[in-house]
This record gives sequence, C-alpha cells and structure tokens, in this order.
Amino acid sequence: NAGVMQNPRHLVRRRGQEARLRCSPMKGHSHVYWYRQLPEEGLKFMVYLQKENIIDESGMPKERFSAEFPKEGPSILRIQQVVRGDSAAYFCASSPAETVLPYRQPQHFGDGTRLSIL
Amino acid sequence: TQLLEQSPQFLSIQEGENLTVYCNSSSVFSSLQWYRQEPGEGPVLLVTVVTGGEVKKLKRLTFQFGDARKDSSLHITAAQTGDTGLYLCAGGSSNTGKLIFGQGTTLQVKP
Repeated sequence: NAGVMQNPRHLVRRRGQEARLRCSPMKGHSHVYWYRQLPEEGLKFMVYLQKENIIDESGMPKERFSAEFPKEGPSILRIQQVVRGDSAAYFCASSPAETVLPYRQPQHFGDGTRLSIL
Repeated sequence: TQLLEQSPQFLSIQEGENLTVYCNSSSVFSSLQWYRQEPGEGPVLLVTVVTGGEVKKLKRLTFQFGDARKDSSLHITAAQTGDTGLYLCAGGSSNTGKLIFGQGTTLQVKP
C-alpha cells in the first residue's frame, strides 16, 4: 500500500549545480502537485501536472525551475544553477484521476525532499 | 491573492484540555482541507470539507466549514499528548485544485 514516494529524502548541492527531485504518485493517481516549504513558512504551491501535461505552473519561479510528468516514470522537479535561497523542503502530492471538481479531491503528500545548498 | 490566516500560531496546553484552531480568509474557498504534519514528514490529510456550514467529526476532532466558506475551525476535545504536532489548513478554489495553505498552528500537549 505504497503512498506518495519522494526521493531522495535529503539532497545537498553546491551553488550552481543542478538538483533533481523525484516523485512517484500513489497507485491510481495521475495528478501531481509540487509545493515548497521554506523554513518558518507554510507550504507554497509551485506546479500542477497531469501525465505529459503542465496544467498550472503559476507558483513556479520563471527561471531555473522546471517540472515534468512523463507518460512513464516519476514526476521530476528540476532546479538548475541552484542558489542558497533554494534551500527548502519540497513536497509532492497526488490525487486521483477523477477530477471533475479537482478542488474537492484530497491531496496525499509524500515525506518531501530536504534540499540544502552549500 | 488568496490568503489563509491561522490562529493561534502556537498553542501549549495540558492533557485533557479542549482547544480550537481557526483558519480565516477574506476569500471564498470551494473546499477546505486540514492536515497534520510531524517533523521530517509530509502533511497527512485529516479531513476535507466542501459545503458551507458542514461539520465533520473524527473521533475527538471536530471540523467546521463556515457558512460563507471563508473560514474553518478545528476543535479538539480532551487533548492527548499524541495530538502534538503542526496543524495546517488548506483552501482549494481554482479549477486546477491548487491548495493555498495557512501558516500552521503548532500544538504542544503536555502530560
């Protein structure tokens, strides 16, 4: 009964490197959301994806950040040329495919990836 | 910009006491979800409310969605030490299901 799986749990990068965060949704879920939790702050929405489509990226920084959810495999959040300010916990959530009313669908979260930038 | 304000931010009580956490906004939300988060883990969904005035009970926890769907409350009866944690409310209103989170309420229940 696997829940949302995120890896790695901890990731350390030096400034200027790339960070790749992976998320496998719950079985039967085809909608993925990424959120960022900065120290002492709440979770902030970044992007919402369905298989092979970005539905809403209104919370994603315009530069250096990208996300994908391919037909096969996990969703990937990619951060290029990381800076100290990218240090945060990144959470992925998934919801079921039946989304006539998506705001009613419960979102189930993974345990996050803690990204530290040296 | 939609915002959700939670209060109080911190709450320390004795075991057996009752408490209420509030989640308020000037915006209307189509749904309101409550989560609990432990250190080093992801938020765990407690309940989703979608109808104005709706009340849901989960053992000692009672959740209410305001009539105007702008506010919600979480009431815990006879708190236990196991209730200690971070409680988050999150509102959904867009067609994409994006959630707007409150800042959270850190609850400490002392034995």
